[in-house]
Amino acid sequence: EPEVTQTPSHQVTQMGQEVILRCVPISNHLYFYWYRQILGQKVEFLVSFYNNEISEKSEIFDDQFSVERPDGSNFTLKIRSTKLEDSAMYFCASKGFRTEAFFGQGTRLTVV
Amino acid sequence: AQSVTQPDIHITVSEGASLELRCNYSYGATPYLFWYVQSPGQGLQLLLKYFSGDTLVQGIKGFEAEFKRSQSSFNLRKPSVHWSDAAEYFCAVGVPNNAGNMLTFGGGTRLMVKP
Repeated sequence: EPEVTQTPSHQVTQMGQEVILRCVPISNHLYFYWYRQILGQKVEFLVSFYNNEISEKSEIFDDQFSVERPDGSNFTLKIRSTKLEDSAMYFCASKGFRTEAFFGQGTRLTVV
Repeated sequence: AQSVTQPDIHITVSEGASLELRCNYSYGATPYLFWYVQSPGQGLQLLLKYFSGDTLVQGIKGFEAEFKRSQSSFNLRKPSVHWSDAAEYFCAVGVPNNAGNMLTFGGGTRLMVKP
């Protein structure tokens, strides 16, 4: 069964450092997403990506965040200068036309 | 903007008992509706979805949900809970024809199962 794959599963980084979270979406999907879940809180939408551009983003997705689909298979989320409050579980998701979103297992980011 | 409310933060049921998890949404029309389950340290697994048509939808693991337009609800049910059902359950809504197609999640309900 096809699945969304995220790497790494856990990343620890120092405040102010750049991190890149990686995702391999399901191969024939068209829409790609990043969500985050701060410990004990709800899952929040960050950004959606379609046709090689951002289609929608939330207030959380400020200038410190960027996304890229560099090679047609990977989908990355970059946080330029991490803050303590960026510590969360980050989920990648992908979606085909007229299908539901499939989520990866998540990357737990810990900023120290 | 759409929103989702899951009124119960925690629910404890005995194994074998029936289960109903509540979900209410706010949106001007009929949204797409989803239930996801998250086991500890795991990702989000889709249990079931409603796009249109029959308002009672069947999902995996013996779960079902009923869309009630008049109550703006999409409650999840299971007739007999198993210990392995202990997890966190999230209701989510999606907006049809929205360019971003993103989901809005409720706060989640943590289910504990007593032996």
